[in-house]
Amino acid sequence: RKEVEQDPGPFNVPEGATVAFNCTYSNSASQSFFWYRQDCRKEPKLLMSVYSSGNEDGRFTAQLNRASQYISLLIRDSKLSDSATYLCVVRDGGFKTIFGAGTRLFVKA
Amino acid sequence: GAVVSQHPSRVICKSGTSVKIECRSLDFQATTMFWYRQFPKQSLMLMATSNEGSKATYEQGVEKDKFLINHASLTLSTLTVTSAHPEDSSFYICSAREVNSAKNIQYFGAGTRLSVL
Repeated sequence: RKEVEQDPGPFNVPEGATVAFNCTYSNSASQSFFWYRQDCRKEPKLLMSVYSSGNEDGRFTAQLNRASQYISLLIRDSKLSDSATYLCVVRDGGFKTIFGAGTRLFVKA
Repeated sequence: GAVVSQHPSRVICKSGTSVKIECRSLDFQATTMFWYRQFPKQSLMLMATSNEGSKATYEQGVEKDKFLINHASLTLSTLTVTSAHPEDSSFYICSAREVNSAKNIQYFGAGTRLSVL
């Protein structure tokens, strides 16, 4: 079993749609959680950290369920510019950071 | 936000040559830097963790004699791919975490695309 698992997609959605991604992790001792966005042939960029209470940043909402060991990302009112690969990232208490393989999103006009 | 500069962004070289990639933290100090490799349509794979002033820690399966890492200062780490071969062609990305930062965020360089002919 992979340490961090994501549905690779692709998710093809029309503009304005709401789309949700899930990610599961295997290490119950994981302490920090993030969503990164990676555009084609570019470096990953931090989208948002994920907090236990859930957090929202504009059209993006992240949730963490420690009991079930999964993280979610919800994107509302999708824009063409949201098309990218979304990486789920999990870190333990030290320096070990594990990246999911990413979920590809295509938003179409 | 914090910036990590990686250079060069693109390298095309002949088989057998060595390639050096630099990673700099521009406005913060990074005790630890990370080197990743990413093949097309795959996730980032951690190659090694670079610690300032000490030897790097390599992940299983990564040859330390082939991928030389030097972290001489709190703002600079280098990765040298020695005697590169076509199978080393990949996207190499460095990352750094800010010392004494409560944010606990990793910042990435823009990556180096290596093509070995």
